[in-house]
Amino acid sequence: KAGVTQTPRYLIKTRGQQVTLSCSPISGHRSVSWYQQTPGQGLQFLFEYFSETQRNKGNFPGRFSGRQFSNSRSEMNVSTLELGDSALYLCASSLGGGSYGYTFGSGTRLTVV
Amino acid sequence: GIQVEQSPPDLILQEGANSTLRCNFSDSVNNLQWFHQNPWGQLINLFYIPSGTKQNGRLSATTVATERYSLLYISSSQTTDSGVYFCAVGTTSGTYKYIFGTGTRLKVLA
Repeated sequence: KAGVTQTPRYLIKTRGQQVTLSCSPISGHRSVSWYQQTPGQGLQFLFEYFSETQRNKGNFPGRFSGRQFSNSRSEMNVSTLELGDSALYLCASSLGGGSYGYTFGSGTRLTVV
Repeated sequence: GIQVEQSPPDLILQEGANSTLRCNFSDSVNNLQWFHQNPWGQLINLFYIPSGTKQNGRLSATTVATERYSLLYISSSQTTDSGVYFCAVGTTSGTYKYIFGTGTRLKVLA
């Protein structure tokens, strides 16, 4: 059974640009969550989607957005990139939003220069 | 909001030694997972353990939800056990998110 697939694995962007990251959950999982990991702030929750609906959002500026498609694949977008957005972005999938645990993908490492 | 504290923050062991990692949380939880983050950044699920005890090979975990803590035991440690161990909890308010602890960085020496 395929795991959680995140693409791309690495990205280098310039300040002011925008970026889109993709996450394909485990087949049958309808919940997708996104987390940001930085050395200073640790792992922080961005948002969670279930059946194309955002059910919760973390404390991040509006430049961070996401969506989920009918096949449960999810994308997150960051507009007007700042140097501080450099981080490892992790996606997690779950059957129903945590009651059975989360499985994480390998992450996308974003560097903003 | 709920606070999750892990201890110790850093741990250095000789290969073959045993260790106990602790996770304390400040409120009731309905989900709890232990993860190992490998050198490439992926979070590998070790245990989903909101309560009770589980074992998987050299690893075992115990969560005492009423006392708001969980323990991860690593026996006969190997160099491949090196990395960062995270505890993550989900609260009972149904907010569909995990709060992560700050992690325990483990280094196992050959």
